[in-house]
Amino acid sequence: KAGVTQTPRYLIKTRGQQVTLSCSPISGHRSVSWYQQTPGQGLQFLFEYFSETQRNKGNFPGRFSGRQFSNSRSEMNVSTLELGDSALYLCASSPGIPLYSNQPQHFGDGTRLSIL
Amino acid sequence: AQTVTQSQPEMSVQEAETVTLSCTYDTSESDYYLFWYKQPPSRQMILVIRQEAYKQQNATENRFSVNFQKAAKSFSLKISDSQLGDAAMYFCAYRSASFPGKDSNYQLIWGAGTKLIIKP
Repeated sequence: KAGVTQTPRYLIKTRGQQVTLSCSPISGHRSVSWYQQTPGQGLQFLFEYFSETQRNKGNFPGRFSGRQFSNSRSEMNVSTLELGDSALYLCASSPGIPLYSNQPQHFGDGTRLSIL
Repeated sequence: AQTVTQSQPEMSVQEAETVTLSCTYDTSESDYYLFWYKQPPSRQMILVIRQEAYKQQNATENRFSVNFQKAAKSFSLKISDSQLGDAAMYFCAYRSASFPGKDSNYQLIWGAGTKLIIKP
């Protein structure tokens, strides 16, 4: 069974630009969560999608948005990039909504975003 | 709000020996899950072991075991017979099992991580 696939692996952007990251969950998984990992702040939850609906959201500004498609693939978008957005962005999938399941999340390799 | 604390930024152990990584958490909830994840240089976050708070028995997965002390809010990870492939960042994480409300959320809450070095 293929794991969680995130593309691209690396991305370099400049301030003010926007970026879209992609995540394909494990086949059959319907829940996708996004996390930002930085050396200073550690791992922080961005948002979670299930059945094309955002079910949960962390404390990030509106420049961070996402969506989920009918095949459970998810995209995350960051507009008006700032230097502080440089981070590893991790995507995780699980079969169902974490609240109703003790199934753990399975993570992808992440997208390393660097802002110049 | 829940918090997770890993007080050891870095630990080192001789290959084949045993090491224990510490994790404490703060919560007012009684029902929750605890996880240990491993992140090697390849970046992928890999689940090592998990514990349901309602279970008194400590979870075990081969060479990995936990010491779950619910009253003390402590969740340490013991790695026996350490191997070179165990070298990684280890993260402790908490997830509520309660219905989302004003002060609870079922997102994963992470500790800062412990870098584990294995000496050959």
